[in-house]
Amino acid sequence: GDSVTQMEGPVTLSEEAFLTINCTYTATGYPSLFWYVQYPGEGLQLLLKATKADDKGSNKGFEATYRKETTSFHLEKGSVQVSDSAVYFCAHLPFTSGSRLTFGEGTQLTVNP
Amino acid sequence: DTEVTQTPKHLVMGMTNKKSLKCEQHMGHRAMYWYKQKAKKPPELMFVYSYEKLSINESVPSRFSPECPNSSLLNLHLHALQPEDSALYLCASSPQGLASDTQYFGPGTRLTVL
Repeated sequence: GDSVTQMEGPVTLSEEAFLTINCTYTATGYPSLFWYVQYPGEGLQLLLKATKADDKGSNKGFEATYRKETTSFHLEKGSVQVSDSAVYFCAHLPFTSGSRLTFGEGTQLTVNP
Repeated sequence: DTEVTQTPKHLVMGMTNKKSLKCEQHMGHRAMYWYKQKAKKPPELMFVYSYEKLSINESVPSRFSPECPNSSLLNLHLHALQPEDSALYLCASSPQGLASDTQYFGPGTRLTVL
């Protein structure tokens, strides 16, 4: 069945470090891919998305590229800030009616000053 | 504007109480969702309404009863809950009906069942 596998956390970085959170998926067809972020005590916010192969989603300095050949959608940021501390969820949504949004397990990121 | 609002923000209830959670969106979205999220876990889908009709029920116990009075409003009625139902309840909406489409989440209601 469809699934999303995320890099296990927690991840702890110093401010201004480079961030990569790995995400791979299994799916039939060509799903849409998403990164959501959840700050402490809040709901999920859409961070970025990509709907077809080679698309690059970007927002707030974060980027992820839809790689069909490796079935991956890794999240990157060149210089993290303390305010980026949150849980990051990778998700995919197959392109069929009635499909469900499938989440990875989430990666806790802590950025220290 | 991609805002989904949820009330209340926090709710504490006893096992014999009846309460309701409310979700609103004014983006003209045609699908609305309820999710349950336990600590340190991803959200789990509970219900989906598409064009105001219940389209998906993920085998949720009957003590949870969804309602979609109109295209902007989604309720979740709670009755005779158990302590293990304590969780963050998230509402989401998406522009299309049950098609592959981006979901936008609300801030959630933190529910505690005593």
